[in-house]
Amino acid sequence: KQEVTQIPAALSVPEGENLVLNCSFTDSAIYNLQWFRQDPGKGLTSLLLIQSSQREQTSGRLNASLDKSSGRSTLYIAASQPGDSATYLCAVRPIQGAQKLVFGQGTRLTINP
Amino acid sequence: SAVISQKPSRDICQRGTSLTIQCQVDSQVTMMFWYRQQPGQSLTLIATANQGSEATYESGFVIDKFPISRPNLTFSTLTVSNMSPEDSSIYLCSVGVQETQYFGPGTRLLVL
Repeated sequence: KQEVTQIPAALSVPEGENLVLNCSFTDSAIYNLQWFRQDPGKGLTSLLLIQSSQREQTSGRLNASLDKSSGRSTLYIAASQPGDSATYLCAVRPIQGAQKLVFGQGTRLTINP
Repeated sequence: SAVISQKPSRDICQRGTSLTIQCQVDSQVTMMFWYRQQPGQSLTLIATANQGSEATYESGFVIDKFPISRPNLTFSTLTVSNMSPEDSSIYLCSVGVQETQYFGPGTRLLVL
């Protein structure tokens, strides 16, 4: 059974710092991995999608990496801003053809002005 | 991409009653997914809804408790039946478009 773990559970940093969020998964047989952002009381916003054959994806100040063999992904946020404060969720799609996702518990990020 | 709307956005219900949540997508999709997010927890898949067939439920979820309808390719409903306080959660609808999963804004349910 696929399990996804995110460390740390919470992170608080001053504005302007670069930071890394971690995600690990127990079964390397994944189709893809997706990072989401969830604001309090809101739904999920897709940030980055990495296919199993890819090593990384970039969007603006965000960079996500994937090491499938070791079961790890990282989300790098450069030059953090208070507006980046949210919960970040990592989710893996276990097998091709099954679109359901297995989620981690999330990292609650606070950027202090 | 996909734009998903859900109704209601939130509700407070009494135990023993039922609530039906609606999910509308702006494009036709084969599968729609219903997730639950309990307080302080991550998301757990309840079921997958295909148009024209019965929904497929994940372990721990049953049709009598969470009946699902999928009358067409852009719409689905999830009913939370005979509610108890343990059903207090955020319920989210999701679809996949070109490998990416998109989520609705969620329905926040509080059962008293």
